[in-house]
Amino acid sequence: NAGVTQTPKFRILKIGQSMTLQCAQDMNHNYMYWYRQDPGMGLKLIYYSVGAGITDKGEVPNGYNVSRSTTEDFPLRLELAAPSQTSVYFCASSYSFGQETATIGYTFGSGTRLTVV
Amino acid sequence: AQSVTQLDSHVSVSEGTPVLLRCNYSSSYSPSLFWYVQHPNKGLQLLLKYTSAATLVKGINGFEAEFKKSETSFHLTKPSAHMSDAAEYFCVVSDAVRREGFQKLVFGTGTRLLVSP
Repeated sequence: NAGVTQTPKFRILKIGQSMTLQCAQDMNHNYMYWYRQDPGMGLKLIYYSVGAGITDKGEVPNGYNVSRSTTEDFPLRLELAAPSQTSVYFCASSYSFGQETATIGYTFGSGTRLTVV
Repeated sequence: AQSVTQLDSHVSVSEGTPVLLRCNYSSSYSPSLFWYVQHPNKGLQLLLKYTSAATLVKGINGFEAEFKKSETSFHLTKPSAHMSDAAEYFCVVSDAVRREGFQKLVFGTGTRLLVSP
């Protein structure tokens, strides 16, 4: 019962490099999310997906891209890394149905700590 | 628009004394409210949630929170702190009804709980 698995746990990038943060869940959740957490701040939503093939922007999408080809996987791509993208990134998933929200809440991964130098 | 204010960035207690972490929310609709805990270098773990049922909500590890609509508050309490409670705590608000296609969570900026022997 792995839950939400994120890789890598740590990464240092140089300015202008690109990378993909991986996220996988094994709970058959339909919704998946990417958040970033900056020091002293709460989590900000980058992108989300309501199902395979469907993604949409959150509050802070600039500089990122996502795809959702399967229910299980939701990778986050940084094309041209910038120092402003230094942060801790969390992937999360949830199961929602109907118009009323499910009360299950989110399951979070353990995070990826990214430093851009 | 929804928002969450965590009134203290840091709270220090001695082991065995009560814990109070304060949270005020603003929501145009009937809110769902959550408390998440984040231990160092770990992901976020759901402590408890309020979803319009009983106003006093019991969570894991002896924590509980009371929803007070008249005060728009959802403070987190624990009768007796343990060293293992030292962590970052996030108050989170969400609409009870999905109006944007997903259960949008709005995070507070967090309260760091310090527990001394």
